[in-house]
Amino acid sequence: DAKTTQPNSMESNEEEPVHLPCNHSTISGTDYIHWYRQLPSQGPEYVIHGLTSNVNNRMASLAIAEDRKSSTLILHRATLRDAAVYYCILSGRNTGNQFYFGTGTSLTVIP
Amino acid sequence: GAGVSQSPSNKVTEKGKDVELRCDPISGHTALYWYRQSLGQGLEFLIYFQGNSAPDKSGLPSDRFSAERTGGSVSTLTIQRTQQEDSAVYLCASSFRLAGVPSSYNEQFFGPGTRLTVL
Repeated sequence: DAKTTQPNSMESNEEEPVHLPCNHSTISGTDYIHWYRQLPSQGPEYVIHGLTSNVNNRMASLAIAEDRKSSTLILHRATLRDAAVYYCILSGRNTGNQFYFGTGTSLTVIP
Repeated sequence: GAGVSQSPSNKVTEKGKDVELRCDPISGHTALYWYRQSLGQGLEFLIYFQGNSAPDKSGLPSDRFSAERTGGSVSTLTIQRTQQEDSAVYLCASSFRLAGVPSSYNEQFFGPGTRLTVL
């Protein structure tokens, strides 16, 4: 498996920024870092992905450490709709056709 | 546009019966994945289809599980002689495979899943 390590759960107050960490110390040079999230009773949905440089999109930002052994998903202003399980996934030539979803981080947003 | 659809949304069956789960991928997507998610767990890869290539069946947990994809579009996951441990949500995803890019690089679009309960 392409291993990633995430905290089991995190809490955030509504409208505050959230930083969701992910460790991937065994990442290889060609592995991409993907983030997906799964809202209650739904299938996962894509959030963001990156390789080496930090990435921004309308949903979130991805900050990748210089050694690429860790990354952080940043939600700039958490809303109640952001309450979900967030998965950090490595993919690349060594992972074949598979995305390895761990148990992710369950984010609770407090009103 | 239309996303990935799955049917049925819920299926309750008795132990030992066979079940078929259906996935309609996004039109034009060449890659299709099946995953299983047990309660409180992450997703477990089952099988992958890409165009006319032989499927990657490396995640199927036993020979009771099989899947096919007809005409490069709709896929059916079949579980024979269901067991209680097969109870889970079965998720289907599709993606558009860019030429020369490993499949796992491409964004996957997931359906809502089929919740299977084996009594």
